[in-house]
Amino acid sequence: EAGVTQFPSHSVIEKGQTVTLRCDPISGHDNLYWYRRVMGKEIKFLLHFVKESKQDESGMPNNRFLAERTGGTYSTLKVQPAELEDSGVYFCASSHTKGSPLHFGNGTRLTVT
Amino acid sequence: GIQVEQSPPDLILQEGANSTLRCNFSDSVNNLQWFHQNPWGQLINLFYIPSGTKQNGRLSATTVATERYSLLYISSSQTTDSGVYFCAAHTGGFKTIFGAGTRLFVKA
Repeated sequence: EAGVTQFPSHSVIEKGQTVTLRCDPISGHDNLYWYRRVMGKEIKFLLHFVKESKQDESGMPNNRFLAERTGGTYSTLKVQPAELEDSGVYFCASSHTKGSPLHFGNGTRLTVT
Repeated sequence: GIQVEQSPPDLILQEGANSTLRCNFSDSVNNLQWFHQNPWGQLINLFYIPSGTKQNGRLSATTVATERYSLLYISSSQTTDSGVYFCAAHTGGFKTIFGAGTRLFVKA
């Protein structure tokens, strides 16, 4: 089966610009998660979708971040406007059921200059 | 919420050496995963191990859920083992909590 895919793999933008990250989960996985690792620190949970519904968005840092999963398939994470502290690696993961293994994508490395 | 602590934070090994990485968690977990983040930033799933012991080549992992810890063993380390090793605890809900990671560097 195809794994979790993320686009783009790298993005370099200027402070104040907008960036949209995309994640395609493994087919059939209802659960989709976004995580990020900022400044070499630990990997932090951002939010969780079950199909198209946001199950938990307690990790979203502020209202500059907007995640969507229209139709319950792929998901996008938009950062608008981007700030310097948003630089890091953004990971997407999917799982089949609650508690089942997380399968991660290769991440998107975001650099805000 | 649950706390996940990993030790040591940094580890330098000579190629061929063995090592043990530890993950402690503060509360009961439904499951536990070990990941390797390679130098290219990719997160590779190593083990999904709620309890007991699993082995995959030179790597093995043991989770003792009743004592709230898990160990990752690396034998005959190679330079390609370098990177950051994360453990992640699955709680009763959907949230997965990561430890801060162990940064491993294997010298040739």
